[in-house]
Amino acid sequence: EAGVAQSPRYKIIEKRQSVAFWCNPISGHATLYWYQQILGQGPKLLIQFQNNGVVDDSQLPKDRFSAERLKGVDSTLKIQPAKLEDSAVYLCASSGRLAGSYNEQFFGPGTRLTVL
Amino acid sequence: ELKVEQNPLFLSMQEGKNYTIYCNYSTTSDRLYWYRQDPGKSLESLFVLLSNGAVKQEGRLMASLDTKARLSTLHITAAVHDLSATYFCAVDRTGTASKLTFGTGTRLQVTL
Repeated sequence: EAGVAQSPRYKIIEKRQSVAFWCNPISGHATLYWYQQILGQGPKLLIQFQNNGVVDDSQLPKDRFSAERLKGVDSTLKIQPAKLEDSAVYLCASSGRLAGSYNEQFFGPGTRLTVL
Repeated sequence: ELKVEQNPLFLSMQEGKNYTIYCNYSTTSDRLYWYRQDPGKSLESLFVLLSNGAVKQEGRLMASLDTKARLSTLHITAAVHDLSATYFCAVDRTGTASKLTFGTGTRLQVTL
C-alpha cells in the first residue's frame, strides 16, 4: 500500500513570497491533516479535512494560510505571504476511519520550508 | 487546553542500558500514541494504547498507559544504537482518535 505522498520535499523562499505544498493521502482515506512542526517541537495541527469538508481549522493562521481539498482526495496548503516564523516542516497525514472510532494517522515525509 | 509534557527532553544512554521516557498529559484521555522520528524523516507509528492499563511491546520497546495518573511510559530495554531517534507521545483530545496533541519529544542518543 502506497503511503502519504508530499511535494516538494524542500522549499526555500524569501519572506513575503508565497508557497504551496501538495499532499496525496493513502488511497481511500477520508480524513486528511496538515501539521506544522517547528524545529525542536512536536507537530501542531493546522487543519483537518473529512472528505472535502473542513472539520477543524482553529489553529490555522487564516490571514496568511489557506488549504483546500476540492475533490476529497489530494490537498494543497498555501502560505501567502510567508514570514520568517513559518520556517518549519509541514507534515500531511491521513486516516481511514470515520470520526467516532479508532483512527490511526499515517504521516507523509513532510516538506521542509525555509523562509529567508 | 490539553498539555502534553515529556521528560526527559534529551537522553544520552549507553548501549545495553535500560531507561524510561515519561509522557504526562493534563486532561482525561483514553488513547495515546507513540511515534518515532529519525532526523529529516517523518513520523513512524510505534504504539497505540487504547485503554487504561494497556501495555504493548515491540522488540526492545515497551509502552504502557495509566489513564488515572494521566501518564504513559516508553521503556527501553538493553538499548542499541539503532534506537537513536526522537520519540513523541501524542494524546487524543476527543476520544474519537482524530485530534492529536503531541508532546515536546524526547531526543534519544544511544552511544557505543
